[in-house]
Amino acid sequence: GIQVEQSPPDLILQEGANSTLRCNFSDSVNNLQWFHQNPWGQLINLFYIPSGTKQNGRLSATTVATERYSLLYISSSQTTDSGVYFCAVATIANAGNNRKLIWGLGTSLAVNP
Amino acid sequence: DAGVTQSPTHLIKTRGQHVTLRCSPISGHKSVSWYQQVLGQGPQFIFQYYEKEERGRGNFPDRFSARQFPNYSSELNVNALLLGDSALYLCASSFSHYEQYFGPGTRLTVT
Repeated sequence: GIQVEQSPPDLILQEGANSTLRCNFSDSVNNLQWFHQNPWGQLINLFYIPSGTKQNGRLSATTVATERYSLLYISSSQTTDSGVYFCAVATIANAGNNRKLIWGLGTSLAVNP
Repeated sequence: DAGVTQSPTHLIKTRGQHVTLRCSPISGHKSVSWYQQVLGQGPQFIFQYYEKEERGRGNFPDRFSARQFPNYSSELNVNALLLGDSALYLCASSFSHYEQYFGPGTRLTVT
């Protein structure tokens, strides 16, 4: 099955710093989502981005589907950005109404004041 | 509009018991998926239902079952609980495209 690898596994930043999180995947995808999981476990949708580039405030994401990777950019980080960032994908093989997401292990981000 | 809701929030059960977890999707969403997340891991797919039919099943034992009701809400049932079933159980709903939206989860502890 498809493999999803995220890097780095852990990241510590000072408030105000910028960072780039990476997600590599081993097969063609028709769905790629970035999530932020807060300390209470809630998964917050950041981006639905199977291809292309999107921006939302201090966050932006780029997926290069042909090269099988996606990047999440966090600029001017804040303490509230702390948590785990997950990349999840669904493959072309799961097309139709099967929306099974395959997840990476996440990047644990700590932003210090 | 209300997001995905799940109940209960927390649950403590004893080994061998059974549990029922509930999920209500976002209004208008016809697909519901269930995931299990153990500490330090990404979520693992358990089931997906669309229009009340099972459309996908992950690598979980038959002790796990689910169903979807005519109003598109869903239940996840786990029988003969084991200590290893302790996890955060997440429900997600989606509409016609592939983006999934998650509920707050049910944290199950098996003692």
